[in-house]
Amino acid sequence: EPEVTQTPSHQVTQMGQEVILRCVPISNHLYFYWYRQILGQKVEFLVSFYNNEISEKSEIFDDQFSVERPDGSNFTLKIRSTKLEDSAMYFCASSDGGGGDTQYFGPGTRLTVL
Amino acid sequence: GIQVEQSPPDLILQEGANSTLRCNFSDSVNNLQWFHQNPWGQLINLFYIPSGTKQNGRLSATTVATERYSLLYISSSQTTDSGVYFCAVGVFASNYQLIWGAGTKLIIKP
Repeated sequence: EPEVTQTPSHQVTQMGQEVILRCVPISNHLYFYWYRQILGQKVEFLVSFYNNEISEKSEIFDDQFSVERPDGSNFTLKIRSTKLEDSAMYFCASSDGGGGDTQYFGPGTRLTVL
Repeated sequence: GIQVEQSPPDLILQEGANSTLRCNFSDSVNNLQWFHQNPWGQLINLFYIPSGTKQNGRLSATTVATERYSLLYISSSQTTDSGVYFCAVGVFASNYQLIWGAGTKLIIKP
């Protein structure tokens, strides 16, 4: 069964550094998402991406964050200057359609900012 | 915005027991998904169920959209069922984001 993959599984970085989290969505999917989960808290929506542009973003997704689909398979989340409070699990998801289609999630990247 | 509430917040059971987890939501939804977050933090898709009933092995789910709730049933629990169960919903006002409940933490004791 096709699945969403994410790399790395764990990233440790110093405050102020840039990080790029990578995702390979399911190959025929058209909609891509990033969510995050701070330890012990609920999962929160960050951004959705369709047709090479952001479709929707939350208040969390400020100017420090950006997303890109650099080629036909990868989908990346960049955090320009990491803060301690960016420490969280970051999940990538993809779906075939928007408007309520099933979203399939990757295994997550645990980001630790020191 | 829509509110998603899950109950109970914590549940401790002996292996072999059955359980029912509940998800209430405050507005009409066009998507409802149940997930299991395992001890390693991975989110496992259990059901896509904006309405109706589905079964997959020992797990089943029912969503009554008109009454704005969904139930997840786990029968004959095993220790590997331990983890956090999340309900997440999509709303008609947004084509994309899932809004998540706080989860039910399930511990199955051997």
